[in-house]
Amino acid sequence: RKEVEQDPGPFNVPEGATVAFNCTYSNSASQSFFWYRQDCRKEPKLLMSVYSSGNEDGRFTAQLNRASQYISLLIRDSKLSDSATYLCVVYYGGSQGNLIFGKGTKLSVKP
Amino acid sequence: EADIYQTPRYLVIGTGKKITLECSQTMGHDKMYWYQQDPGMELHLIHYSYGVNSTEKGDLSSESTVSRIRTEHFPLTLESARPSHTSQYLCASSELGGSRGLYEQYFGPGTRLTVT
Repeated sequence: RKEVEQDPGPFNVPEGATVAFNCTYSNSASQSFFWYRQDCRKEPKLLMSVYSSGNEDGRFTAQLNRASQYISLLIRDSKLSDSATYLCVVYYGGSQGNLIFGKGTKLSVKP
Repeated sequence: EADIYQTPRYLVIGTGKKITLECSQTMGHDKMYWYQQDPGMELHLIHYSYGVNSTEKGDLSSESTVSRIRTEHFPLTLESARPSHTSQYLCASSELGGSRGLYEQYFGPGTRLTVT
């Protein structure tokens, strides 16, 4: 079983749509959680951290359910510029740890 | 914008050649990483370093080697390139301490390597 699993998509949605991505992780000792964004043929960049209480950044809302080992990302009012691959990322291991990247979910927003 | 650079951006090379992929960052970050990513696939950590003279192997076994003689420089070397090494190689760096520093990795633009 992969440590971080995501629906690969692609998700094809019209502009203005609301889209949700899900992610599960296998290691219950995981400490921190993130969503990164990767544009086609570009490097990944941090989109937002995911906090236990849930957090929002503009049109983006992230949720964490530690009991179910589940993370979600909701994008409201999708823009063409949101088209990218969204990577679910998990951190564990204290100061010696590393990030574990999911395979990513591809989003394509159409006019 | 992150100040992390990789050269070359694209490299096509024949089997058996020795290659070095360069990575430099000007942010003073202690921790640096090398990832390998095939098209449409996930990132795999192949090497990382906590600082000067520190190198560790990542989760994915790789025939490449790395060195960290200076904080800002983390080159990756393949002694004898093979077609199976064809991939994208991404370098990243992060701070070593602090609540956020461990987590936010800044990536370079990557090197697309093709071995013929």
